[in-house]
Amino acid sequence: GESVGLHLPTLSVQEGDNSIINCAYSNSASDYFIWYKQESGKGPQFIIDIRSNMDKRQGQRVTVLLNKTVKHLSLQIAATQPGDSAVYFCAENHYGGSQGNLIFGKGTKLSVKP
Amino acid sequence: NAGVTQTPKFRVLKTGQSMTLLCAQDMNHEYMYWYRQDPGMGLRLIHYSVGEGTTAKGEVPDGYNVSRLKKQNFLLGLESAAPSQTSVYFCASSPTLETQYFGPGTRLLVL
Repeated sequence: GESVGLHLPTLSVQEGDNSIINCAYSNSASDYFIWYKQESGKGPQFIIDIRSNMDKRQGQRVTVLLNKTVKHLSLQIAATQPGDSAVYFCAENHYGGSQGNLIFGKGTKLSVKP
Repeated sequence: NAGVTQTPKFRVLKTGQSMTLLCAQDMNHEYMYWYRQDPGMGLRLIHYSVGEGTTAKGEVPDGYNVSRLKKQNFLLGLESAAPSQTSVYFCASSPTLETQYFGPGTRLLVL
């Protein structure tokens, strides 16, 4: 079946550097994408989302880029801080599919070195 | 505004025992979901609800039942727990078919 996956399971960056977390999706009909952050022992926390009619969306220190041609999604974190250490999940939704059924990737663990 | 809360936070069961996990949200969201998260895997949808009195199966519904008698509550039941149901369970709610807001999780160990 179609699923969302991640290119790298782990990413280690130096504090202050920029981080880029990648995600590949296989359902070309997906309409909506979300990035979640999950800290150890906690539930996933919404970071940023993007619709399929957009290529880029910016938030506070985060930017999501969507490349529909190659079905690729990325999350960029500027000036990475120790508090950014967590597992990051991308998720997709296809409005024509199951109602509200987000399909999650397996996650990328981001470690920030001081 | 507490958001999404889950009860209990942690539970140990013996094989064959039953239990109910409670999820409550105070955001008046229509949609509610139950997921399980296992090591090295993403979140997998167990059951979901698109409104009070409605439920539907997700990706991994076997061995679980749900009920949504009140809009703010979504209950997940295990009638006869099995070791394969050892997992972390997350509840989420959403006002639309988009962003879902998650609770803190319930850690379940089935011996």
